[in-house]
Amino acid sequence: GQNIDQPTEMTATEGAIVQINCTYQTSGFNGLFWYQQHAGEAPTFLSYNVLDGLEEKGRFSSFLSRSKGYSYLLLKELQMKDSASYLCAVLYNFNKFYFGSGTKLNVKP
Amino acid sequence: DGGITQSPKYLFRKEGQNVTLSCEQNLNHDAMYWYRQDPGQGLRLIYYSQIVNDFQKGDIAEGYSVSREKKESFPLTVTSAQKNPTAFYLCASTRAVYSNQPQHFGDGTRLSIL
Repeated sequence: GQNIDQPTEMTATEGAIVQINCTYQTSGFNGLFWYQQHAGEAPTFLSYNVLDGLEEKGRFSSFLSRSKGYSYLLLKELQMKDSASYLCAVLYNFNKFYFGSGTKLNVKP
Repeated sequence: DGGITQSPKYLFRKEGQNVTLSCEQNLNHDAMYWYRQDPGQGLRLIYYSQIVNDFQKGDIAEGYSVSREKKESFPLTVTSAQKNPTAFYLCASTRAVYSNQPQHFGDGTRLSIL
């Protein structure tokens, strides 16, 4: 499999901004996807990047640098319900998605 | 409403038994995937299918088998050869082969050993 690296756990305060990083191997890259997963539930799609730059969707934004093999997910105005795991997934060669181990985000009051 | 339906939600397997997890989608998607998730881990690919009557092994296919006789259905059998089957199993689909669209996921099946 491909090495998709993201931090294991992060803690942030309600109302703050948090950035979750993801690095990946660039060979065969076709797209990068961010999912949110609450404990015991299926992942839900948040955002994706195919080209370099920033994609904004409400409180969530995702950035991609294909040359650096780097992405981040930015969450603004954090809410308690944002406490979840955030999965970075990369599509390779148009047929396989590889997932990172997920970043567990703890939002505290 | 279109979506992916996985059943059952919880499944228990006795030693030496094969069990089958169901995955049905009404999204008219071509590609379907099976993943395994262990506690605190990401998703690992078991099998995937890009078209009816064709499927490919993922990274952890040993002890599992699949079929794709219909576009809508992609069942996963966990065989007795899979010695550590306890995990959360997720089925996913994407619209078309060779597209870079995100995956849709079912609600998952949690498999445990009795």
